Amino acid sequence: QLVLTQSPSASASLGASVKLTCTLSSGHSSYAIAWHQQQPEKGPRYLMKLNSDGSHSKGDGIPDRFSGSSSGAERYLTISSLQSEDEADYYCQTWGTVVFGGGTKLTVL
Amino acid sequence: EVQLVESGGGLVQPGRSLRLSCAASGFTFDDYAMHWVRQAPGKGLEWVSGISWNSGSIGYADSVKGRFTISRDNAKNSLYLQMNSLRAEDTALYYCARDSEGEVAGISYWGQGTLVTVSS
Repeated sequence: QLVLTQSPSASASLGASVKLTCTLSSGHSSYAIAWHQQQPEKGPRYLMKLNSDGSHSKGDGIPDRFSGSSSGAERYLTISSLQSEDEADYYCQTWGTVVFGGGTKLTVL
Repeated sequence: EVQLVESGGGLVQPGRSLRLSCAASGFTFDDYAMHWVRQAPGKGLEWVSGISWNSGSIGYADSVKGRFTISRDNAKNSLYLQMNSLRAEDTALYYCARDSEGEVAGISYWGQGTLVTVSS
Protein backbone atom coordinates (compact mmCIF):
# COMPACT_ATOMS: atom_id res chain seq x y z
CA GLN A 1 0.00 0.00 0.00
CA LEU A 2 1.28 3.40 -1.02
CA VAL A 3 1.69 5.66 2.00
CA LEU A 4 3.45 9.00 2.40
CA THR A 5 4.81 9.82 5.85
CA GLN A 6 5.53 13.37 7.05
CA SER A 7 6.57 14.70 10.44
CA PRO A 8 3.59 16.55 12.00
CA SER A 9 5.58 19.67 12.81
CA ALA A 10 8.80 21.56 12.16
CA SER A 11 10.19 24.92 13.16
CA ALA A 12 13.00 27.23 12.14
CA SER A 13 14.03 30.83 12.65
CA LEU A 14 13.31 33.77 10.40
CA GLY A 15 16.04 33.99 7.73
CA ALA A 16 17.25 30.43 8.32
CA SER A 17 16.70 27.32 6.19
CA VAL A 18 14.53 24.29 6.85
CA LYS A 19 14.31 20.88 5.19
CA LEU A 20 11.00 19.03 5.28
CA THR A 21 10.82 15.29 4.60
CA CYS A 22 8.26 13.06 2.89
CA THR A 23 8.94 9.32 3.02
CA LEU A 24 7.47 6.88 0.51
CA SER A 25 6.41 3.48 1.76
CA SER A 26 8.42 0.35 1.02
CA GLY A 27 8.47 -0.64 -2.65
CA HIS A 28 7.54 2.81 -3.88
CA SER A 29 10.89 4.59 -3.79
CA SER A 30 10.82 5.41 -7.52
CA TYR A 31 7.68 7.52 -7.31
CA ALA A 32 7.69 11.21 -8.09
CA ILE A 33 5.77 13.46 -5.73
CA ALA A 34 4.39 16.97 -5.59
CA TRP A 35 4.77 19.48 -2.76
CA HIS A 36 1.88 21.78 -1.85
CA GLN A 37 1.76 24.71 0.58
CA GLN A 38 -1.32 25.75 2.54
CA GLN A 39 -1.07 29.05 4.38
CA PRO A 40 -3.51 29.66 7.25
CA GLU A 41 -7.09 30.10 6.13
CA LYS A 42 -6.16 29.70 2.47
CA GLY A 43 -6.50 27.03 -0.20
CA PRO A 44 -3.47 24.89 -1.08
CA ARG A 45 -0.87 26.08 -3.58
CA TYR A 46 1.20 23.81 -5.79
CA LEU A 47 4.93 24.29 -5.23
CA MET A 48 6.68 21.70 -7.38
CA LYS A 49 6.89 18.23 -8.84
CA LEU A 50 9.90 16.32 -7.48
CA ASN A 51 11.30 13.28 -9.26
CA SER A 52 13.20 10.37 -7.72
CA ASP A 53 16.48 11.65 -9.21
CA GLY A 54 16.01 15.02 -7.47
CA SER A 55 15.08 16.97 -10.57
CA HIS A 56 12.10 19.21 -10.01
CA SER A 57 9.82 21.62 -11.82
CA LYS A 58 8.20 24.44 -9.91
CA GLY A 59 4.79 25.99 -10.24
CA ASP A 60 4.03 29.49 -11.47
CA GLY A 61 5.67 32.21 -9.42
CA ILE A 62 7.32 29.94 -6.86
CA PRO A 63 10.42 31.71 -5.51
CA ASP A 64 13.93 30.30 -5.89
CA ARG A 65 14.01 29.94 -2.08
CA PHE A 66 12.00 26.75 -2.54
CA SER A 67 13.90 23.71 -3.82
CA GLY A 68 13.53 19.94 -3.81
CA SER A 69 15.83 16.95 -3.57
CA SER A 70 15.56 13.16 -3.25
CA SER A 71 17.43 10.29 -1.64
CA GLY A 72 16.06 6.75 -1.93
CA ALA A 73 12.50 6.81 -0.63
CA GLU A 74 12.89 10.27 0.89
CA ARG A 75 11.68 13.42 -0.81
CA TYR A 76 12.76 16.76 0.58
CA LEU A 77 11.52 20.33 0.41
CA THR A 78 14.09 22.93 1.40
CA ILE A 79 13.05 26.49 2.11
CA SER A 80 15.90 28.96 2.48
CA SER A 81 15.87 32.52 3.82
CA LEU A 82 12.67 31.77 5.73
CA GLN A 83 10.05 34.50 5.75
CA SER A 84 7.01 34.89 7.95
CA GLU A 85 4.68 33.99 5.10
CA ASP A 86 6.35 30.59 4.82
CA GLU A 87 4.58 29.59 8.03
CA ALA A 88 2.12 27.09 6.64
CA ASP A 89 1.17 23.45 6.30
CA TYR A 90 3.13 21.53 3.69
CA TYR A 91 1.74 18.42 2.02
CA CYS A 92 3.36 15.89 -0.27
CA GLN A 93 1.30 14.00 -2.83
CA THR A 94 2.20 11.07 -5.03
CA TRP A 95 2.47 11.60 -8.77
CA GLY A 96 0.53 9.17 -10.93
CA THR A 97 -1.99 8.47 -8.20
CA VAL A 98 -3.32 11.04 -5.80
CA VAL A 99 -2.38 10.14 -2.26
CA PHE A 100 -1.51 12.81 0.29
CA GLY A 101 0.84 12.71 3.22
CA GLY A 102 -0.47 13.85 6.57
CA GLY A 103 1.19 17.25 6.26
CA THR A 104 3.87 19.13 8.20
CA LYS A 105 3.03 22.31 10.08
CA LEU A 106 5.96 24.70 9.73
CA THR A 107 6.41 27.37 12.38
CA VAL A 108 8.71 30.30 11.66
CA LEU A 109 10.21 31.52 14.92
CA GLU B 1 -4.48 32.94 -15.30
CA VAL B 2 -5.91 29.61 -14.17
CA GLN B 3 -9.06 30.07 -12.11
CA LEU B 4 -11.16 27.40 -10.42
CA VAL B 5 -14.30 28.60 -8.65
CA GLU B 6 -16.31 26.14 -6.58
CA SER B 7 -19.96 26.55 -5.66
CA GLY B 8 -22.86 24.57 -4.28
CA GLY B 9 -21.73 23.99 -0.72
CA GLY B 10 -23.96 24.52 2.28
CA LEU B 11 -25.69 22.95 5.25
CA VAL B 12 -27.45 19.67 4.54
CA GLN B 13 -29.06 17.00 6.70
CA PRO B 14 -27.60 13.51 6.94
CA GLY B 15 -28.88 11.24 4.21
CA ARG B 16 -29.62 14.08 1.83
CA SER B 17 -27.86 15.08 -1.41
CA LEU B 18 -25.83 18.01 -2.64
CA ARG B 19 -24.21 18.87 -5.98
CA LEU B 20 -20.98 20.82 -6.15
CA SER B 21 -19.83 22.69 -9.24
CA CYS B 22 -16.48 24.05 -10.33
CA ALA B 23 -16.21 26.70 -13.04
CA ALA B 24 -12.82 26.66 -14.78
CA SER B 25 -11.17 29.41 -16.80
CA GLY B 26 -7.77 30.55 -18.01
CA PHE B 27 -6.82 27.24 -19.66
CA THR B 28 -8.10 24.69 -22.18
CA PHE B 29 -10.37 22.70 -19.89
CA ASP B 30 -10.60 19.54 -21.97
CA ASP B 31 -6.82 19.13 -22.02
CA TYR B 32 -6.64 18.23 -18.32
CA ALA B 33 -7.83 15.73 -15.76
CA MET B 34 -9.65 17.23 -12.78
CA HIS B 35 -10.09 16.31 -9.12
CA TRP B 36 -12.08 16.94 -5.98
CA VAL B 37 -10.10 17.04 -2.74
CA ARG B 38 -11.58 17.69 0.70
CA GLN B 39 -10.34 18.87 4.05
CA ALA B 40 -12.28 18.21 7.22
CA PRO B 41 -12.02 20.90 9.92
CA GLY B 42 -8.53 20.87 11.43
CA LYS B 43 -7.47 17.89 9.33
CA GLY B 44 -5.28 17.22 6.29
CA LEU B 45 -6.07 16.88 2.62
CA GLU B 46 -8.03 13.86 1.37
CA TRP B 47 -8.43 13.03 -2.31
CA VAL B 48 -12.11 12.37 -3.09
CA SER B 49 -12.35 11.72 -6.81
CA GLY B 50 -10.66 12.31 -10.15
CA ILE B 51 -11.71 12.29 -13.81
CA SER B 52 -9.63 12.21 -16.96
CA TRP B 53 -9.91 14.77 -19.74
CA ASN B 54 -12.54 12.81 -21.70
CA SER B 55 -14.26 11.15 -18.69
CA GLY B 56 -12.80 7.85 -19.82
CA SER B 57 -11.07 7.21 -16.52
CA ILE B 58 -12.74 7.92 -13.17
CA GLY B 59 -11.65 7.07 -9.64
CA TYR B 60 -13.04 7.47 -6.12
CA ALA B 61 -11.74 7.22 -2.61
CA ASP B 62 -13.11 4.19 -0.76
CA SER B 63 -14.81 6.54 1.71
CA VAL B 64 -17.14 7.93 -0.97
CA LYS B 65 -17.40 5.07 -3.49
CA GLY B 66 -21.02 4.30 -4.34
CA ARG B 67 -22.27 7.58 -2.87
CA PHE B 68 -20.47 10.30 -4.85
CA THR B 69 -20.35 10.76 -8.63
CA ILE B 70 -17.88 12.97 -10.47
CA SER B 71 -18.63 14.34 -13.92
CA ARG B 72 -17.53 17.08 -16.26
CA ASP B 73 -18.99 19.12 -19.11
CA ASN B 74 -16.16 20.19 -21.38
CA ALA B 75 -18.47 22.43 -23.42
CA LYS B 76 -19.23 24.39 -20.24
CA ASN B 77 -15.71 24.23 -18.74
CA SER B 78 -17.26 22.77 -15.62
CA LEU B 79 -16.62 19.98 -13.13
CA TYR B 80 -19.27 18.51 -10.85
CA LEU B 81 -19.56 16.31 -7.77
CA GLN B 82 -22.92 14.73 -7.00
CA MET B 83 -22.95 13.75 -3.33
CA ASN B 84 -25.69 11.39 -2.13
CA SER B 85 -26.41 9.75 1.23
CA LEU B 86 -24.33 12.38 2.98
CA ARG B 87 -22.87 11.62 6.40
CA ALA B 88 -21.55 13.78 9.20
CA GLU B 89 -18.02 12.65 8.30
CA ASP B 90 -18.42 14.22 4.84
CA THR B 91 -18.34 17.66 6.48
CA ALA B 92 -15.37 19.42 4.92
CA LEU B 93 -14.08 22.15 2.67
CA TYR B 94 -14.21 20.73 -0.85
CA TYR B 95 -11.55 21.88 -3.33
CA CYS B 96 -11.65 21.63 -7.10
CA ALA B 97 -8.18 20.96 -8.50
CA ARG B 98 -6.63 20.72 -11.95
CA ASP B 99 -4.19 18.04 -12.92
CA SER B 100 -1.00 18.69 -14.87
CA GLU B 101 -1.97 16.20 -17.61
CA GLY B 102 -5.00 14.77 -19.40
CA GLU B 103 -4.86 11.53 -17.41
CA VAL B 104 -4.42 11.46 -13.62
CA ALA B 105 -0.86 12.50 -12.77
CA GLY B 106 -0.61 15.23 -10.16
CA ILE B 107 -2.41 18.35 -9.01
CA SER B 108 -0.94 21.64 -10.19
CA TYR B 109 -3.71 24.17 -9.52
CA TRP B 110 -6.27 24.56 -6.73
CA GLY B 111 -9.51 26.44 -6.20
CA GLN B 112 -10.44 28.20 -2.95
CA GLY B 113 -12.98 25.63 -1.82
CA THR B 114 -16.66 25.39 -0.92
CA LEU B 115 -17.80 24.32 2.54
CA VAL B 116 -20.14 21.38 3.02
CA THR B 117 -21.65 20.87 6.46
CA VAL B 118 -23.67 17.73 7.13
CA SER B 119 -25.72 18.11 10.27
CA SER B 120 -29.27 17.72 11.53
